[in-house]
Amino acid sequence: EDQVTQSPEALRLQEGESSSLNCSYTVSGLRGLFWYRQDPGKGPEFLFTLYSAGEEKEKERLKATLTKKESFLHITAPKPEDSATYLCAVRNSASKIIFGSGTRLSIRP
Amino acid sequence: GAVVSQHPSRVICKSGTSVKIECRSLDFQATTMFWYRQFPKQSLMLMATSNEGSKATYEQGVEKDKFLINHASLTLSTLTVTSAHPEDSSFYICSARDRTSGGGTGELFFGEGSRLTVL
Repeated sequence: EDQVTQSPEALRLQEGESSSLNCSYTVSGLRGLFWYRQDPGKGPEFLFTLYSAGEEKEKERLKATLTKKESFLHITAPKPEDSATYLCAVRNSASKIIFGSGTRLSIRP
Repeated sequence: GAVVSQHPSRVICKSGTSVKIECRSLDFQATTMFWYRQFPKQSLMLMATSNEGSKATYEQGVEKDKFLINHASLTLSTLTVTSAHPEDSSFYICSARDRTSGGGTGELFFGEGSRLTVL
């Protein structure tokens, strides 16, 4: 069964304290791994798509990496405005998208 | 990125009434739209896949007669919660994939969500 597991469930960091969020997946024929940011009461905002192991993408303080079993979202020198829930999702060979439960990130000033 | 608009953002209704939520792709055409439901502090659960010009495909456990989906055009899908009850209160989110993006492997773009409260 296709599955996406995100860890940690919640993460509190001090402003400027870099860290990484993990997304482990088991999927039948990966057709893409996606990272989204979701603010409370809002829909998810697209961040990155990764398609193959070894691929990396960056956007401001965020960098996403992908291996055959997991993806990391690295956040460098975070700011309070980076506080949000970060969702990971995969698309399988049947084009179905499976979401993880998310990591709630909180950055203290 | 592409823009998906959802309306209304919040709705409060009485038990037994029906509520319609609209999802529009503003700057691209979407042959397929998806409807999700999200409970507090939980992830998105796919309810159904909406296909333009044909019947929606519902996930297991989702009542098709209760959650009516219509995808009448390439830019509009609607979700109608019929005879709503308090247990239907939730955050409903739609998403769409740009039909010209990546041969079907493109990313999903999400609407802002609709908070439904049934009294």
